[in-house]
Amino acid sequence: KQEVTQIPAALSVPEGENLVLNCSFTDSAIYNLQWFRQDPGKGLTSLLLIQSSQREQTSGRLNASLDKSSGRSTLYIAASQPGDSATYLCAVRQWDNYGQNFVFGPGTRLSVLP
Amino acid sequence: DAGVTQSPTHLIKTRGQHVTLRCSPISGHKSVSWYQQVLGQGPQFIFQYYEKEERGRGNFPDRFSARQFPNYSSELNVNALLLGDSALYLCASSFAGSEQYFGPGTRLTVT
Repeated sequence: KQEVTQIPAALSVPEGENLVLNCSFTDSAIYNLQWFRQDPGKGLTSLLLIQSSQREQTSGRLNASLDKSSGRSTLYIAASQPGDSATYLCAVRQWDNYGQNFVFGPGTRLSVLP
Repeated sequence: DAGVTQSPTHLIKTRGQHVTLRCSPISGHKSVSWYQQVLGQGPQFIFQYYEKEERGRGNFPDRFSARQFPNYSSELNVNALLLGDSALYLCASSFAGSEQYFGPGTRLTVT
């Protein structure tokens, strides 16, 4: 059974710092991995999608890497801003006996202090 | 273009009742997935539908069911509501199951 974990559970940093969020998964037979942000009580906003054949994706100040063999992905946020404060979630897409399945991690709650 | 829309925004039901949640995908997207998110946890996958057929199912009881219509909109039905069904229900659409785009969710409270 696929399990996705995220470290740290919470993080508080001063504005301007570069930071790394970690995502680990137990079954490397994934189709893709997607990073999201979620503001309190809201839906999820897609940040980056990495296909299983890719090593990394970049969008603005965000860079996500994928090492499928070791079951790890990292989200790098450069020059953090207070507006980056949110919960960041990673999710893997895979197939099991019931068809497609999407497994989320519990998230990392980020606070960027002005 | 409009994003994924869900209705209603909030809903309060009593234990034992039935509820229907609705989702309209992004125009051109044929895949819809449903998730349950309990406070403080990541979303849990419930169902995925593609071209009106169920293509994936998470570990949820038979009280949960869904369907997709010819216009690719979808309904999630939950029977015999329990207190533990209180959660944010999220719908996501994608083009053939690739990158997922989420709606704002429906907050269900069961009393």
